[in-house]
Order: sequence, then C-alpha cells, then structure tokens
Amino acid sequence: DQQVKQNSPSLSVQEGRISILNCDYTNSMFDYFLWYKKYPAEGPTFLISISSIKDKNEDGRFTVFLNKSAKHLSLHIVPSQPGDSAVYFCAAPYNNNDMRFGAGTRLTVKP
Amino acid sequence: NAGVTQTPKFRVLKTGQSMTLLCAQDMNHEYMYWYRQDPGMGLRLIHYSVGEGTTAKGEVPDGYNVSRLKKQNFLLGLESAAPSQTSVYFCASSWGQVNQPQHFGDGTRLSIL
Repeated sequence: DQQVKQNSPSLSVQEGRISILNCDYTNSMFDYFLWYKKYPAEGPTFLISISSIKDKNEDGRFTVFLNKSAKHLSLHIVPSQPGDSAVYFCAAPYNNNDMRFGAGTRLTVKP
Repeated sequence: NAGVTQTPKFRVLKTGQSMTLLCAQDMNHEYMYWYRQDPGMGLRLIHYSVGEGTTAKGEVPDGYNVSRLKKQNFLLGLESAAPSQTSVYFCASSWGQVNQPQHFGDGTRLSIL
C-alpha cells in the first residue's frame, strides 16, 4: 500500500517555464514532507522540506506547497533550467526512523 | 569530504550466493539507513541504525541482515541471494531522526541470476 503517491511518472517543460510536480499521501498522520532530487547514477540529494504547520516553504527557485485537507503537496520550480532535469521524489516520515517515498517523477527541461 | 561511500558499485551474483555491501560515512552521523529501489517504486527502507551497535528493521527487512560495529560503517548482508533481491541499493546517513535530510551514497546495482 503506497502511502505516498506520485502519479505522474514523467513531466517535460520548456526552459524558463514553471515545473509543477505533484505528490499525494494517504496517511493523515504524516506531518513532515521532504523532496529529494536524483540524477542518473547518483544518490538522491535533499532539496526542500515542509512541516504540516506551514502551507508553503520557499528556497530560491523551489517552492513546496502543502494542502493538508486534500492530502496533497506540490513542488514548483520557477524558472526551470536544463540542469533541473532529474527524478524528483516526494517523501514523508512514517515514524521516527522510517520514511515513505513516492515512486518519483522524471522531469525533463528542454532548452 | 567523501560523504557517503558505497562499495561495490556493481555486482552480479548467482542465486544462493552471499555477499556484503559496505557503506561508510565521514560526517559523524548517528543514523544510517539501507534502502532498495525497484522500477516503478520509491525507495523502501530495509534496515536502519540509530547509533553504533544498534540495528532495527525497516519496511522490507526479510532476507537481509545488517551490522553497525563502528559508527562510520553500516554493512548490509545477503546470506542467500534470491532473484527478487535484484535491485539498486542505497545507503544514507543523517545526524538525527528521519525528518532530518539524509545524505545518500551513489548506490550499488546488484543483479542476481
């Protein structure tokens, strides 16, 4: 039972435009969310996080929005750059030491 | 700073063989994790450790064992490899509990024939 779902396996956007990556979750106990970015042949790297007491967190070109009532979060990248092409994972701590990851969305930013 | 280093990067095993994957971190992190990633799925936690000498089961622990004899090392063992264990394995470490950002190694691609 996937508790964190990324329903779009892939997304393609033009350089300079906005990229919106979506994530849904089923466990209402989740109170913290993280996004990781992964390039081929490398491990994931932490990108940005958000606590459930907030509905928005911003870090440069990256903004994460949380809608608790809809159990939905999204990652916005503005403006998108070719170097942003990667797989993005949404994740939520399941308990103190476990994490549930989504299946990932492959973002391609075209020049 | 090397961060998290995984050894080996690639390995092919025959069914029934055993092997150990090594993870080393140089950030003095207390917490270490082993994940596996399969096509169409997110990373799934196999085992984790909250400090030297401790280990605990994650979401998918069956068929694996781990040891944390030294703070900087976390070993993942397959006693009798099965084709279902063909996967990419990632090690990660963090200074605190799981809501703290984890630092990942570059992965070990393991194929079991």
